[in-house]
Amino acid sequence: EPEVTQTPSHQVTQMGQEVILRCVPISNHLYFYWYRQILGQKVEFLVSFYNNEISEKSEIFDDQFSVERPDGSNFTLKIRSTKLEDSAMYFCASGLTYEQYFGPGTRLTVT
Amino acid sequence: TQLLEQSPQFLSIQEGENLTVYCNSSSVFSSLQWYRQEPGEGPVLLVTVVTGGEVKKLKRLTFQFGDARKDSSLHITAAQPGDTGLYLCAGGDRGSTLGRLYFGRGTQLTVWP
Repeated sequence: EPEVTQTPSHQVTQMGQEVILRCVPISNHLYFYWYRQILGQKVEFLVSFYNNEISEKSEIFDDQFSVERPDGSNFTLKIRSTKLEDSAMYFCASGLTYEQYFGPGTRLTVT
Repeated sequence: TQLLEQSPQFLSIQEGENLTVYCNSSSVFSSLQWYRQEPGEGPVLLVTVVTGGEVKKLKRLTFQFGDARKDSSLHITAAQPGDTGLYLCAGGDRGSTLGRLYFGRGTQLTVWP
């Protein structure tokens, strides 16, 4: 069964460094998303992406964040200058109709 | 911001018991999705309901979307230890074009043998 994959599974970085989180969505899906989950809190929406552009972003998704679909299979989230409060699980999701299918997540730890 | 409240927050039952968990909001959603999440992993989609009053069954799990599309419930019959996990509801706020999902905090279910 097709699934969303994410790399790396765990990323440790120092405050102020740039990180790129990678996702391979399910191949025939058209809508792509990033969510995050701070430990012990709700899953929160960051951004949605369709037709090679951002369709919606949350208040969390400020100028430090960017997304890209560099080729036909990958979908990336870049954080330019990480802060301690960016430490969280980051989930990529993809969908075709109403459903959104989530990847296993990348645990980002900012020290 | 559209809020989804899930209850109860924790539920601990014996194997074989039935249970219902609830997902409520004051907002109308175009769709309602139920996920199950294990520690350190991503949410796994169980079901999506889109029509008010819709009922879907997945083996021993029954999902219902309220008539007004503001609430949903998940009923598990004859719970088993393998049902243990965090159950999340998530509401979608845009018609057929996928918009963001708003997640509840989840119900942590523990089923004891």
